Amino acid sequence: NAGVMQNPRHLVRRRGQEARLRCSPMKGHSHVYWYRQLPEEGLKFMVYLQKENIIDESGMPKERFSAEFPKEGPSILRIQQVVRGDSAAYFCASSPRAGLDEKLFFGSGTQLSVL
Amino acid sequence: KQEVTQIPAALSVPEGENLVLNCSFTDSAIYNLQWFRQDPGKGLTSLLLIQSSQREQTSGRLNASLDKSSGRSTLYIAASQPGDSATYLCAVMDSSYKLIFGSGTRLLVRP
Repeated sequence: NAGVMQNPRHLVRRRGQEARLRCSPMKGHSHVYWYRQLPEEGLKFMVYLQKENIIDESGMPKERFSAEFPKEGPSILRIQQVVRGDSAAYFCASSPRAGLDEKLFFGSGTQLSVL
Repeated sequence: KQEVTQIPAALSVPEGENLVLNCSFTDSAIYNLQWFRQDPGKGLTSLLLIQSSQREQTSGRLNASLDKSSGRSTLYIAASQPGDSATYLCAVMDSSYKLIFGSGTRLLVRP
């Protein structure tokens, strides 16, 4: 059973371009979370999705950021018109269900660098 | 608003030493608390999960305790090894199933 797969591992964009980050959850997992980690900081929650539904996007900036988890295919975190402050590691996590005893399984992250 | 704090931010110990990492949180209304390990350039590995009704969990050389009323958790690592060197993150799950993370403790175990 492959773990949570994120790609690309590293993404370089110039200011104003779009960034697309992909996350394939573990097999059988229908809950996906996206987190952002700035250097020397902990992970900050961005968005929680189930298949075809956004459950909680309270941690996501209102502009330029969007996320989806379609019925088929990976979850996508999309950042439009990137700025230098978007440079960070973006982690995806998945779980089979929402529950108090459910561990989250994390991917290796995508390191976004904005030039 | 839930805030999670980890002390110390960094720790360097000789191999074989027992050590304690600390985590505190401001809102005791949590569902569970989890400890993760993060290696440089890698994702997070879940180490231990303590439900809000539990006091501690053990896995091998690791023991995590939870005192919900005082908003504290500790991660105890026995007989530390160089392979334990990593960043250890504490996170609490709030009522909306979000994990709120601390900034982590960077541990270096010297051979």
